[in-house]
Amino acid sequence: KNQVEQSPQSLIILEGKNCTLQCNYTVSPFSNLRWYKQDTGRGPVSLTIMTFSENTKSNGRYTATLDADTKQSSLHITASQLSDSASYICVVSDRGSTLGRLYFGRGTQLTVWP
Amino acid sequence: EADIYQTPRYLVIGTGKKITLECSQTMGHDKMYWYQQDPGMELHLIHYSYGVNSTEKGDLSSESTVSRIRTEHFPLTLESARPSHTSQYLCASSAGQGPIGYTFGSGTRLTVV
Repeated sequence: KNQVEQSPQSLIILEGKNCTLQCNYTVSPFSNLRWYKQDTGRGPVSLTIMTFSENTKSNGRYTATLDADTKQSSLHITASQLSDSASYICVVSDRGSTLGRLYFGRGTQLTVWP
Repeated sequence: EADIYQTPRYLVIGTGKKITLECSQTMGHDKMYWYQQDPGMELHLIHYSYGVNSTEKGDLSSESTVSRIRTEHFPLTLESARPSHTSQYLCASSAGQGPIGYTFGSGTRLTVV
């Protein structure tokens, strides 16, 4: 069964600190992995997209890594800001269908305190 | 900048009412999707469309229906709303199977009382 598991479920950090969110998946055949940021009551916004051959990708203070062999990904947030408070969702796409089916994790709820 | 729009953003409605959630995109994407998301839970695909006059049910069974008469428009309808339909509904569109161009709308928060 294709699954995406994220940890931790929730995380509280102080403003200015770094943090790392984890994503493990069993989706096969793998196409790409995306990290989204979802503010409360809003739709998800894409942070990074990585294909099989990419190990790391950055978007400002966000850096995602991918280990396709172990089927693990991480999202590292540097120098956190209050506006980083949101849910971070790991999404994996397979290439076994024309739909390009997306499999969603439940997200990590990040809270940044001043 | 969001090129996919959902209305209304919030809706509180009584049981038994018929409702239509609107979704429009200006990117010319062929594929459009509806997802349902409960608080703290993952998104579940309830409907998708490959193009005009094409609609399919997703992974999660839903009593809602959709239509795709125009490329840019993908409305979702509930004929008779129930409290169990209370959830957030997210619309998305994409240009193809690749990673580029998959965009979500801001969502409609539906509460059925």
